[in-house]
Order: sequence, then structure tokens, then C-alpha cells
Amino acid sequence: DIVMTQSPSSLAVSAGETVTINCKSSQSLFGSVRQKNYLAWYQQKPGQSPKLLIYLASTRESGVPDRFIGSGSGTDFTLTISSVQAEDLANYYCQQYYDTPYTFGAGTKLELK
Amino acid sequence: EVQLVESGGGLVQPGRSLKLSCAASGFTFSNYYMAWVRQAPKKGLEWVATISTSGSRTYYPDSVKGRFTISRDNAKSSLYLQMNSLKSEDTATYYCASQQWGFAYWGQGTLVTVSS
Repeated sequence: DIVMTQSPSSLAVSAGETVTINCKSSQSLFGSVRQKNYLAWYQQKPGQSPKLLIYLASTRESGVPDRFIGSGSGTDFTLTISSVQAEDLANYYCQQYYDTPYTFGAGTKLELK
Repeated sequence: EVQLVESGGGLVQPGRSLKLSCAASGFTFSNYYMAWVRQAPKKGLEWVATISTSGSRTYYPDSVKGRFTISRDNAKSSLYLQMNSLKSEDTATYYCASQQWGFAYWGQGTLVTVSS
């Protein structure tokens, strides 16, 4: 199984700061046929369902603000949130869909400082 | 507007069965792979099952393989999860989700509690 390791597990920030969440996979998520990385990022606010933010490592889902930026390739990926707003406080998960079983990172909790 | 509405959750004893349903609307259901993803209380996300557009192919992690069965009815735009031989560790909120490049649309979830 592909293990997804997220860091940090929690992060306290002030509004307006830029934050970086890291995600490392135990094997490459780069698909040679489509030349894409099969990595997604999700946001889950308390009491809500997860919401897809980023897919193919760096493609923003429709309607997602451009302050959310996904980057990385192979085994190392990053979600950057520039100028954090109060509404961004949530849990964030990375997920690989390169191979079954599809696996998620343990999550990063973004809190207000 | 895309909607996925799960139902069928509840309290069930260990070893018993339960069937979850998910009613889809607002998109062409038959064009999408569909999946179930669960979340134990205060825990992270775990993929449970995926089914192809026609229903001919299904995929499961080892934790539920042989106990859970995913199915779909494209005519009714509905997704199902038959859960047998339930264990306490199956206690979770179960979400249905559309699957393409990741899980794009999610339902609100239905809580399954396995306890005697």
C-alpha cells in the first residue's frame, strides 16, 4: 500500500499568513501514460463533508480561491495557502489515487493563533 | 446543483448487516465512477470501495474485502453499500462520493455505529 505522510499534524496561524502543508508518498505518484501526478488535496471544516481543493497535484477545482496552490511531483507535494483567512481554518488531507487501495494522509489541522 | 444523499445508517450489533444507499442528482450519474469513503469519530478519511460506471468492476481495501459489496443502479442514479459481518472498527460516518481525479462531490454522510 502507498503510505501518505503529512506534516505538520497541526499548525497555528494568524490571518494573513502564508502556510505550507507537506505530503510525502512512499512511492512515486507520477503516471507515465498521462504524465500527471495522481494526488489530491481536500479541506474539511468541522461538521462538514470533505471538499476537493486540488487534483492532479496542482489543478485547482472549480470555485476554489487562487490562494490555494498545489505543487510537487513524484513523492513530495505541498499545499500552500497564501494570506490565510478565518474561513480557511479546517483539516486538510492529501490523497493518492495512483493505485488501490487509495490512501489519505492523516491530516493537518489549521488553527487560529 | 449536485446532490448526494446517503441513508441507511444506524446502530447495529457486531456480526450483523446493514445496507447504505446514496441518491444522486444534478449530474450524469452513469458517467462517473462512484465510491464510499468513511471517517471514524475524530479520525481521518479511509477509502472503502469504488465501482466503475457500468458496475462491472469493483475495488476494495483489504479491511473490508469479502465483507462489503458496492453496487449501483444507473437507472435510479443510486449507489449502495452492503455491509456484512460488521465489526466495532467499522463504526464511522460513511460518505458516498463521485470519483474522477480524486473524489469531487461528497454527500453529507450517514453514521454507522457497530456496538452491542
